[in-house]
Amino acid sequence: QKEVEQDPGPLSVPEGAIVSLNCTYSNSAFQYFMWYRQYSRKGPELLMYTYSSGNKEDGRFTAQVDKSSKYISLFIRDSQPSDSATYLCAMSEDGAQKLVFGQGTRLTINP
Amino acid sequence: DAGITQSPRHKVTETGTPVTLRCHQTENHRYMYWYRQDPGHGLRLIHYSYGVKDTDKGEVSDGYSVSRSKTEDFLLTLESATSSQTSVYFCAITSTNNYGYTFGSGTRLTVV
Repeated sequence: QKEVEQDPGPLSVPEGAIVSLNCTYSNSAFQYFMWYRQYSRKGPELLMYTYSSGNKEDGRFTAQVDKSSKYISLFIRDSQPSDSATYLCAMSEDGAQKLVFGQGTRLTINP
Repeated sequence: DAGITQSPRHKVTETGTPVTLRCHQTENHRYMYWYRQDPGHGLRLIHYSYGVKDTDKGEVSDGYSVSRSKTEDFLLTLESATSSQTSVYFCAITSTNNYGYTFGSGTRLTVV
């Protein structure tokens, strides 16, 4: 069983929809949780960073962490075609060291 | 970009040949990582470095070696390339005070 599980999709939604992306994990020592966005044939780029449990909002993006359920989510409001990408969750026990990544979810926003 | 470059961007090589990929950073970051990305597996850690001449193995290190003789350069060597090493290879960097990685643009390697 993988340490971090993420549904690879693909997920296709209409423009303007609210998108929910999720990951589950098994290692209770994870404290740092991140979301990366990866456009086709590009390197991943950091989108959201959260420490421990709780919510964090940045514009149209909201990251949630529920450590009791070992479950993290990324919500995208008012989705745009430019949001079409692969979204990877990542987590670690100690800051940014040795991140463990989910498989990535391929998202398409249809105009 | 954020001061990290990978070379080459694309490479085709034959089975059994050695291959070296280069990661160069201008950020003076302490930590450097090599990942491979494959469909169905996501990003998997191959090797990482926490300083000059300080390296350690990751999840999928068999068949790979690394070297870091200068802060700015982290080399990944496939000692004898196999078709199973066909992949996209990403280098990443971070500093002690940073959270999250900065990734390079990747090297697409095909072993025929």
